[in-house]
Amino acid sequence: DIVLTQSPALAVSLGQRATISCRASESVRSSMHWYQQKSGQQPKLLIYGASNLASGVPARFSGSGSGTDFTFTIDPVEADDIATYYCQQSRNDPFTFGSGTKLEIK
Amino acid sequence: QIQLVQSGPELKKPGESVKISCKASGYTFTDYAMHWVKQAPGKGLKWMGWINTYTGKPTYADDFKGRFVFSLEASASTANLQISNLKNEDTATYFCAKEEEDNSYYFDYWGQGVMVTVSS
Repeated sequence: DIVLTQSPALAVSLGQRATISCRASESVRSSMHWYQQKSGQQPKLLIYGASNLASGVPARFSGSGSGTDFTFTIDPVEADDIATYYCQQSRNDPFTFGSGTKLEIK
Repeated sequence: QIQLVQSGPELKKPGESVKISCKASGYTFTDYAMHWVKQAPGKGLKWMGWINTYTGKPTYADDFKGRFVFSLEASASTANLQISNLKNEDTATYFCAKEEEDNSYYFDYWGQGVMVTVSS
C-alpha cells in the first residue's frame, strides 16, 4: 500500500501563508487530491489531480507537485480555514489517505 | 444540485448487524462509482472500497473483506453498506463519496456521514 506522510499540525497567523506537505512512499504521478474536513463535517474536495482547483473553491487554495512530493497552500489564511486537511492518492489500489494536518491559528 | 444523503445514527450491540444507506440525487446514479470511507472517533480517513453503480460489482479494501457488504438499490439511486457481526472497533462514522474522474479518480461529493456506535 502507498503510505502518505503528512505533518500532524501547523499553526499560522491570519493573513499569512500555510503550506502543508504530503510525501508518498512511491510515485503517484499526479493522482493526488486534497480535502478539507471541519469539525463534525464531511470532507470537502479542494484540489484534484495535484493542482486543479475544485469547483467553487476560492483561489486562496492551491496545490502542486508530482511523483512523491506534494504541497498544499492556503494564501492568505482566513479564520474559516480552521480544519484538518487530508491528502489522498488514487494511483494504486487501495486508495489511501494521509493522516491529516490540523491547521491552527496562532 | 448533487447531494448524497445518508441514513441516521445507529446504536448496536456487538454481534449485531447494521445497514446504512446513501441516497444520491442531482446526477445519473449509474454513471459514477460510489466509495465508502471510515473514520473512527478522533482518527483519520480510511478507504473501505467502492461499488460499480452500473454493474453492482463491489471491491473491498483488504481490511474490509468478510463482514462488510456494499450493495445498490439502483432504482432508488441508493448505495448501501451492511456490516455484520459488529465489533467495538467498528464504532466510527461511515461516509459515502461519489467518484469523479479527470485523469485520476477523486471524491467530489460526500454524504454527511453516519455514526455507528457499537457498545454492549
